[in-house]
Amino acid sequence: KQEVTQIPAALSVPEGENLVLNCSFTDSAIYNLQWFRQDPGKGLTSLLLIQSSQREQTSGRLNASLDKSSGRSTLYIAASQPGDSATYLCAVRGNYGQNFVFGPGTRLSVLP
Amino acid sequence: EAGVAQSPRYKIIEKRQSVAFWCNPISGHATLYWYQQILGQGPKLLIQFQNNGVVDDSQLPKDRFSAERLKGVDSTLKIQPAKLEDSAVYLCASSGGEQFFGPGTRLTVL
Repeated sequence: KQEVTQIPAALSVPEGENLVLNCSFTDSAIYNLQWFRQDPGKGLTSLLLIQSSQREQTSGRLNASLDKSSGRSTLYIAASQPGDSATYLCAVRGNYGQNFVFGPGTRLSVLP
Repeated sequence: EAGVAQSPRYKIIEKRQSVAFWCNPISGHATLYWYQQILGQGPKLLIQFQNNGVVDDSQLPKDRFSAERLKGVDSTLKIQPAKLEDSAVYLCASSGGEQFFGPGTRLTVL
């Protein structure tokens, strides 16, 4: 059974810092991995999708990497801004079936 | 492109009452998911549909929860009777590869 963990659970940084969020998964037989952002009281917004054959994806100030063999993905946020404050979740989709398993999320606060 | 629509956005009921949620996925998306998200946790999959067939409902409490996707488009999730521990946000998502989520329905059971 796939299990997904995220470290740290919460993070507070001053504006302008570069930061890394971590996602680990136990079963490396994945189809893809997706990073989401969730603002309080809102649904999830897709940030980046990495297919199992890819090693990284970039969108603006965000870069996500995937190392299947070690069961890890990182989300790198460059030059953080207060508007980046949200909870960041990773979700892993398995090869055997199409269901996603989510991590518990990292709650990020970027202080002005 | 219109996103995933859900209604209602908020619902407050008393325990043992019934409640239903509605989801309209993105046009053309064959896969539809219902998730339960308890405060402070990641979403937990309740049920996955591929068109109008169920792919995975292993984590759906079938004694009280039911879901259907007639005609392979809209879907409804029902809880009958509700318990206090059902208080959560119920998220619907659809996928054609990448998942897209609706705004969710926040359920409070008193």
